[in-house]
Amino acid sequence: DTGVSQNPRHKITKRGQNVTFRCDPISEHNRLYWYRQTLGQGPEFLTYFQNEAQLEKSRLLSDRFSAERPKGSFSTLEIQRTEQGDSAMYLCASSFEWGDRVWIRGVNEAFFGQGTRLTVV
Amino acid sequence: EDQVTQSPEALRLQEGESSSLNCSYTVSGLRGLFWYRQDPGKGPEFLFTLYSAGEEKEKERLKATLTKKESFLHITAPKPEDSATYLCAVPTGDGGSQGNLIFGKGTKLSVKP
Repeated sequence: DTGVSQNPRHKITKRGQNVTFRCDPISEHNRLYWYRQTLGQGPEFLTYFQNEAQLEKSRLLSDRFSAERPKGSFSTLEIQRTEQGDSAMYLCASSFEWGDRVWIRGVNEAFFGQGTRLTVV
Repeated sequence: EDQVTQSPEALRLQEGESSSLNCSYTVSGLRGLFWYRQDPGKGPEFLFTLYSAGEEKEKERLKATLTKKESFLHITAPKPEDSATYLCAVPTGDGGSQGNLIFGKGTKLSVKP
């Protein structure tokens, strides 16, 4: 399977614990995104990487959240001191873009993984 | 502020009953509009990209069209397996973002046999 892979698929944790999710993008893609989706809502942008550089963070990404993409391959999203409000589906997506700025052309489609469902009890 | 609004929120159709889903957007400088299908408990599955007004794309029973203010996803003679939530998304238009997608809340389609 050459699609975007996310692990684990499901995670149940107690409030206050730390959790880490992993995303393996499509191999030739240089851009990787993290989104969060709650019930009845569309995905909301959290952060993205161009290769190994984290180029933007949403205001939704509080200090308890951190994301890394070492060597521009897989990425991890860590949530520290989880709260019940963190319960959601965490989605990873990847795409290929020509360089850091894409104003000249359209944005290429992003392909999503199956997500990690986090439940904080 | 960039915004995507989808309607209706939910749509129930009988098998074979054609209809359309709407996605209206407000973004400065459209650089693409994307349609995704999402099944319960799964990630969004890419369907179409539209880049300019007047463009149309088709896939099986689905056809997506784009104007300067909105996009339609037409479903012709739907089958129960077309039941899913359909999401529309556009890249943000402000200077600080490079293609991050803003999603609508989706239209939940149910097709009864």
